[in-house]
Amino acid sequence: AQSVTQLDSQVPVFEEAPVELRCNYSSSVSVYLFWYVQYPNQGLQLLLKYLSGSTLVKGINGFEAEFNKSQTSFHLRKPSVHISDTAEYFCAVNPSGGYQKVTFGTGTKLQVIP
Amino acid sequence: EADIYQTPRYLVIGTGKKITLECSQTMGHDKMYWYQQDPGMELHLIHYSYGVNSTEKGDLSSESTVSRIRTEHFPLTLESARPSHTSQYLCASSGSVGDQPQHFGDGTRLSIL
Repeated sequence: AQSVTQLDSQVPVFEEAPVELRCNYSSSVSVYLFWYVQYPNQGLQLLLKYLSGSTLVKGINGFEAEFNKSQTSFHLRKPSVHISDTAEYFCAVNPSGGYQKVTFGTGTKLQVIP
Repeated sequence: EADIYQTPRYLVIGTGKKITLECSQTMGHDKMYWYQQDPGMELHLIHYSYGVNSTEKGDLSSESTVSRIRTEHFPLTLESARPSHTSQYLCASSGSVGDQPQHFGDGTRLSIL
């Protein structure tokens, strides 16, 4: 079994400031890691994913995340946020075995302040 | 552009009615999922399927039922709607391998009066 913890339920940040959204996970098996974004009245969209290889992964809309195996973390970062980044962000882990369920975190609401 | 479609997007209906929420995907994915999500809150998995004629209950108990007669179609049914069923329902699909992300529909916002 695995679990995902998103430590911050809400993160307010001023426009053009950097932001980090934190995600920690636990699992007894190797996992794949994902970040999704959800805009109001929409489903979730994939931002980026870590499967293997380089621990720094880049996604859409200028976001990036770094996988840290020793700290079991997968924090999401953006150097300069825009008003349009206001949304909810979900971290998710999926065991590397094919027939196990993905586990989502509880989400972090990013509010960008003009 | 979405490859997974949910209808209706919004539904307001009275207590006791039978409701079917439709979900279809055009990607040939084996895995499909239904999540319940109250606005701005976390996702709760209520049903999933790993292929035709395969359905399983998720982590959150739900009075709904699902069927998977065709790969592309995964409808969710409430036999008798109650106000406690008021929520947003998200459908998703993914490939068979664990490194495949989930693709989500835009959801159905259900209100039971």
